Amino acid sequence: EAGVAQSPRYKIIEKRQSVAFWCNPISGHATLYWYQQILGQGPKLLIQFQNNGVVDDSQLPKDRFSAERLKGVDSTLKIQPAKLEDSAVYLCASSLDGIEQYFGPGTRLTVT
Amino acid sequence: AQSVAQPEDQVNVAEGNPLTVKCTYSVSGNPYLFWYVQYPNRGLQFLLKYITGDNLVKGSYGFEAEFNKSQTSFHLKKPSALVSDSALYFCAVRVRFSGGYNKLIFGAGTRLAVHP
Repeated sequence: EAGVAQSPRYKIIEKRQSVAFWCNPISGHATLYWYQQILGQGPKLLIQFQNNGVVDDSQLPKDRFSAERLKGVDSTLKIQPAKLEDSAVYLCASSLDGIEQYFGPGTRLTVT
Repeated sequence: AQSVAQPEDQVNVAEGNPLTVKCTYSVSGNPYLFWYVQYPNRGLQFLLKYITGDNLVKGSYGFEAEFNKSQTSFHLKKPSALVSDSALYFCAVRVRFSGGYNKLIFGAGTRLAVHP
């Protein structure tokens, strides 16, 4: 079974620029998560989708971050404009049962 | 507040020796607890989980974890460490929120270094 796919793997941008990340979950997994992992910290949930609906975005900085999951499959996470403190690894995960989550390799974002 | 604590930033152990990575939690109700491992430039890999039943849970790569309700702990253990076990380990607890959905709260992580 194919795992969670993410792209790009690495991205370097200047502050105030915009960036988008893409995630393709495991086939059939209804729940999709985006996490932010800052160096030296555990992953922090940004947004959770159930199919194409948002069930939790309480930790998403909505003034600059947005996410969508059209058709309940792939998802994109966008940052516009980026700040220095957005430098982190952005992890996508999916789940079939809402309990066990499978993570993608992540996108390492560096904002200069 | 619901939280997970991993009190050690780093654990050092010699290859062949037993290892323990500590985790304590604070959550209302019965906890669902997880351990994940992260290798450099990789995503998190699931190791094991506790939902109910036997307090000793066995997982991938020879790891196991012991759930202790009275101490609110879920320590990760392995009888004999390998150099290849060197990685970053995360403990997580599931919390439920309105609407019946779940999310994971992660600890800050513990770096395990196994020396030859």
